[in-house]
Amino acid sequence: FMLTQPHSVSESPGKTVTISCTRSSGRIASNYVQWYQQRPGSSPSTVIYEDNQRPSGVPDRFSGSIDSSSNSASLTISGLKTEDEADYYCQSYESINLVVFGGGTKLTVL
Amino acid sequence: HLQLQESGPGLAKPSETLSLTCSVSGGSISSTTYYWGWIRQPPGKGLEWIGTIYYSGSTYYNPSLKSRVTISIDTSKSQFSLKLNSVTAADTAVYYCASRKGAYSSGWYDSWGQGTLVTVSS
Repeated sequence: FMLTQPHSVSESPGKTVTISCTRSSGRIASNYVQWYQQRPGSSPSTVIYEDNQRPSGVPDRFSGSIDSSSNSASLTISGLKTEDEADYYCQSYESINLVVFGGGTKLTVL
Repeated sequence: HLQLQESGPGLAKPSETLSLTCSVSGGSISSTTYYWGWIRQPPGKGLEWIGTIYYSGSTYYNPSLKSRVTISIDTSKSQFSLKLNSVTAADTAVYYCASRKGAYSSGWYDSWGQGTLVTVSS
């Protein structure tokens, strides 16, 4: 299956933005979804794991959810800061331990 | 906190084999809690999963690369390795090794290496 993300999103500082990740086949709820942030020149880091869990150190401005009706996952970032400008990738699994990444979304905070 | 470091040549010739090693410190590569993986990112593009290995040696590969990829593990050296054969310019990418905390078909990549750029060119 594929995970489809918007190519880019933009929003102003202080606002809220939501990035979607749509699973092409199979149920979104079948396997957990993770979200990774990648700033330019850096390795990715986890901002959400297991659909809606935040690793320690990730601010609660970041939240994740899944929607079975649209078969998609979402990453929501509230109170946007310029430091949130980055690429964001969703990730999930095939049932046989195969990893799938979404194509990535470039977030611009302007 | 796990630390991972990729090492290997930054240049590979077309049709030859790309070889990289990931050294793990700060924890046990034999942990039952972790899977170990390789992920790559072509310049200006997104992340592509290459494959995963468990401490027992069980491997899982991206179907699109499976015929050319071998991932192995050496628990005595706390290292795991990637070999990608018959490389072309399309294999030019930053290659990351990463630790995946969790169980079969679940978990998240909680530690990443800094990444190493491998260029395929004659």
